[in-house]
Amino acid sequence: QQQVKQSPQSLIVQKGGISIINCAYENTAFDYFPWYQQFPGKGPALLIAIRPDVSEKKEGRFTISFNKSAKQFSLHIMDSQPGDSATYFCCGGDAGNMLTFGGGTRLMVKP
Amino acid sequence: KAGVTQTPRYLIKTRGQQVTLSCSPISGHRSVSWYQQTPGQGLQFLFEYFSETQRNKGNFPGRFSGRQFSNSRSEMNVSTLELGDSALYLCASSWGGGMNTGELFFGEGSRLTVL
Repeated sequence: QQQVKQSPQSLIVQKGGISIINCAYENTAFDYFPWYQQFPGKGPALLIAIRPDVSEKKEGRFTISFNKSAKQFSLHIMDSQPGDSATYFCCGGDAGNMLTFGGGTRLMVKP
Repeated sequence: KAGVTQTPRYLIKTRGQQVTLSCSPISGHRSVSWYQQTPGQGLQFLFEYFSETQRNKGNFPGRFSGRQFSNSRSEMNVSTLELGDSALYLCASSWGGGMNTGELFFGEGSRLTVL
């Protein structure tokens, strides 16, 4: 599997601030880029996803920005809340249901 | 609608033993994928089954195997356990038809400890 590199590994943000997580991929066959959110003791849950023909997608406080030429994409969490504290994974997916996960970012939002 | 159910949730085995983990997907979902999650390697794809056939396979040794039944329930088996097999094993289900949608629904996992 081709790698998906994710940074930072951990992130501390004040309540109300903006959380930014960055990812870079190598496999140009990826045609789907979901983000998953995982709380302790739970399985990952789909947060938001984008396809490479779109440069930006927004859902509520969550926005994905996608740069196909640079093979990079990022997640922005606006007005971060303590309830957003979780581990976030970016992924690359190609044909089929096989996802390549980034290493994860542990986000802590301080009240 | 019930979510993805994995059993057992926790288990402890010793080196050399084998283990079987079970996954019941969301009703109507025909694809079941398995992932291994460890602190060092993160989330890694093991295999995917669709309509009782293995459709994709990750880069794991042959000690890791799986199967899917006609009701879409799936099992994975790890034989000759090694200490490095200690991990959270996650099962994910999806409708599975057509091209990748990325929308996998994960269970809470089976945490395997190998002593």
